[in-house]
Amino acid sequence: SQKIEQNSEALNIQEGKTATLTCNYTNYSPAYLQWYRQDPGRGPVFLLLIRENEKEKRKERLKVTFDTTLKQSLFHITASQPADSATYLCALDRQDDYKLSFGAGTTVTVRA
Amino acid sequence: GEEVAQTPKHLVRGEGQKAKLYCAPIKGHSYVFWYQQVLKNEFKFLISFQNENVFDETGMPKERFSAKCLPNSPCSLEIQATKLEDSAVYFCASSPSSQGFGGYTFGSGTRLTVV
Repeated sequence: SQKIEQNSEALNIQEGKTATLTCNYTNYSPAYLQWYRQDPGRGPVFLLLIRENEKEKRKERLKVTFDTTLKQSLFHITASQPADSATYLCALDRQDDYKLSFGAGTTVTVRA
Repeated sequence: GEEVAQTPKHLVRGEGQKAKLYCAPIKGHSYVFWYQQVLKNEFKFLISFQNENVFDETGMPKERFSAKCLPNSPCSLEIQATKLEDSAVYFCASSPSSQGFGGYTFGSGTRLTVV
């Protein structure tokens, strides 16, 4: 069966360090992968999208990689700040399937 | 507007009662999606619309759930005869394209509590 796993439920890091989150998937051939941020009591907010033929995408302090051989995406927050504390969700979409399938999320806490 | 507006924010219903949730997508976004998030678990896709037409309803428990997106009205998700397991946060999202190449814009959700 199809599975999307974000391998850490929670990640605690010191301010200024890089947070690295992992998203693994099985029995899936995504056309592209998205990362969202969700704060308590709010809906997910879109951060980055990476297509299957792209290896890496960057946006300010965020970096996403996509390895379709390993079936894995890594999400990096560099120079982390307490304001980056939130739950981060990866979501996959297939070419012929117009809906997102989400992982369970990783809650990041950045300590000052 | 530039936000997806969901109402109400909270809804409490007794088991067996009806619940109706509303979503106003961003102007110009022709695709609307409904997702259910139970506690901290993954999002479950329910249904999507392209304008007022159902695009994909493979996630809908059809015996009690129904949804509409009519012209010049907010979209709605209705649950007849609610059950305890329907307690969840229901999110609406909109997008200008079916595959959300610029990402999907989500509302803040409606928290439904069935007691």
